[in-house]
Amino acid sequence: GNSVTQMEGPVTLSEEAFLTINCTYTATGYPSLFWYVQYPGEGLQLLLKATKADDKGSNKGFEATYRKETTSFHLEKGSVQVSDSAVYFCALSDGGTASKLTFGTGTRLQVTL
Amino acid sequence: GAVVSQHPSRVICKSGTSVKIECRSLDFQATTMFWYRQFPKQSLMLMATSNEGSKATYEQGVEKDKFLINHASLTLSTLTVTSAHPEDSSFYICSALSPGTSDNEQFFGPGTRLTVL
Repeated sequence: GNSVTQMEGPVTLSEEAFLTINCTYTATGYPSLFWYVQYPGEGLQLLLKATKADDKGSNKGFEATYRKETTSFHLEKGSVQVSDSAVYFCALSDGGTASKLTFGTGTRLQVTL
Repeated sequence: GAVVSQHPSRVICKSGTSVKIECRSLDFQATTMFWYRQFPKQSLMLMATSNEGSKATYEQGVEKDKFLINHASLTLSTLTVTSAHPEDSSFYICSALSPGTSDNEQFFGPGTRLTVL
């Protein structure tokens, strides 16, 4: 079956540091890949997505590239801010639509001044 | 836009009682909603897919008689945990599929923390 593995947190960074959160997946076929973010007290929000190999999703300074050869979709940001503190979830979906998502365990990011 | 609410945000109940959790799409109509369960430090696990006007589709291993789902309108789905026991304590999250967005994006509620004593 499908599965998503992401690095355990928490990840603690100083403001303006470079962020990488690793995500690898196992799936049959060609899944779509997503990063969701959950701010304290709020629901998950779609951060970015990629639907085919070599696609790069980007939003709010975050980027992730769909790497089929390494089955990875690592999340990166060049300079984090305190407001980026949240829990980040990597997820995949079969068939290219956002239905029946399979999630990773989530990685908590804490950014300090 | 595309806001999903859940009520209550947290609930504590005694073992053996039933608890109802509501999921509402506030500014769009959702023919499909999803119910997830999240244990501490674990990923969201899909429990069931709720379709308006029809029976829910449950994932393997989820007891449909234990977790009753009703999707009676295009903006409301309810999850009832029947005869709750301490092992049902968890964080329950719903999402609603918005057909008006690209790739039918799911919009998530803030979750409901259930504690069964």
